[in-house]
Amino acid sequence: NAGVTQTPKFRILKIGQSMTLQCAQDMNHNYMYWYRQDPGMGLKLIYYSVGAGITDKGEVPNGYNVSRSTTEDFPLRLELAAPSQTSVYFCASTPTSGSNEQYFGPGTRLTVT
Amino acid sequence: AQSVTQPDIHITVSEGASLELRCNYSYGATPYLFWYVQSPGQGLQLLLKYFSGDTLVQGIKGFEAEFKRSQSSFNLRKPSVHWSDAAEYFCASSGGYNKLIFGAGTRLAVHP
Repeated sequence: NAGVTQTPKFRILKIGQSMTLQCAQDMNHNYMYWYRQDPGMGLKLIYYSVGAGITDKGEVPNGYNVSRSTTEDFPLRLELAAPSQTSVYFCASTPTSGSNEQYFGPGTRLTVT
Repeated sequence: AQSVTQPDIHITVSEGASLELRCNYSYGATPYLFWYVQSPGQGLQLLLKYFSGDTLVQGIKGFEAEFKRSQSSFNLRKPSVHWSDAAEYFCASSGGYNKLIFGAGTRLAVHP
């Protein structure tokens, strides 16, 4: 199993550009999450999904969109990049039942200038 | 609202010394609690977790944590720190749909 994979690892965007951060998991987990981590801060939840076709906002959803067309994939879309979105983005997944442990991807470091 | 507080932003210990990282949670019911470690430029690795039962939980790399309901705490401990333990440590609690609420983290430095 590859676990949770994220692409790209690094990206620099100009203000106003758009991009999609990719996230995939091969563990057949129903629940998936996007977090952002700002310097000196813990992770904050952007969006989450409890299954294909079902998504909901987390603590800091403004400026982002998500979709979940398959169990495996959970892309995060930035439509109009702003400097405030400079951050490290982590995708995670967890099975519906059981240990509740979240499995994290390696992260995407995004800089908006 | 559910919250997690890590009072210490930065801690420095000498190699071989004992370590305790503090974590306090705010949650009405018995929470699911976790400790994660993050090395520079890396993702998060789960050290240990508490769901129920024995309040002293053992994790990887020689870490343990004790759940104390009366103090709303879940402190992480290690009897003897190694230089490779230098990293950032995050305490987290789990709410509905397994969403994680993280503390701000404690950065651990280890002096030789």
